[in-house]
Amino acid sequence: QKEVEQNSGPLSVPEGAIASLNCTYSDRVSQSFFWYRQYSGKSPELIMSIYSNGDKEDGRFTAQLNKASQYVSLLIRDSQPSDSATYLCAVNTGGFKTIFGAGTRLFVKA
Amino acid sequence: GAVVSQHPSRVICKSGTSVKIECRSLDFQATTMFWYRQFPKQSLMLMATSNEGSKATYEQGVEKDKFLINHASLTLSTLTVTSAHPEDSSFYICSAKSDYGYTFGSGTRLTVV
Repeated sequence: QKEVEQNSGPLSVPEGAIASLNCTYSDRVSQSFFWYRQYSGKSPELIMSIYSNGDKEDGRFTAQLNKASQYVSLLIRDSQPSDSATYLCAVNTGGFKTIFGAGTRLFVKA
Repeated sequence: GAVVSQHPSRVICKSGTSVKIECRSLDFQATTMFWYRQFPKQSLMLMATSNEGSKATYEQGVEKDKFLINHASLTLSTLTVTSAHPEDSSFYICSAKSDYGYTFGSGTRLTVV
């Protein structure tokens, strides 16, 4: 079982819709959770970080964490074509090591 | 916010030569930096953890004699790919932990011909 799992996609949504990205992790002691956006040929950029159960909202983005079920999700409201990218879920177990999922490709159709 | 500068952004080298990649934290001190490799359509794979003033910690399967890491100061870590071969062609990315989380450099696209 992979430590951090994501559906590779592609996930295709129309412009203006809500995009829902999901991630599960295997290590129950994981403490910090991150969502990164990566455009093709570019480095990842941090979108959201979440540390406790529940929802965290930042603009059009909402991260949701459920430690009991070991999943973290990212919702993108009012999706725009510029949101089309690969979204990486990352999990940290408390040390310096951060494990990345393989990423989910999102396409937002204009 | 925290800025990590990585140089060069793109390099093409001949098989058998060595290539050095620099990673600098511009506005914060990074006692620990991370080096990742990313092949096309794959995720980031951690290669090694670079610690200022001490030896790097390599992940399983990563040859420490081939990927030399030097972290001589609190703001600079370097990765040298020695005797590069075409299979080393990849996107190399460094990262450092700051108060804002893990910040990535812009990446280096290495092509070995």
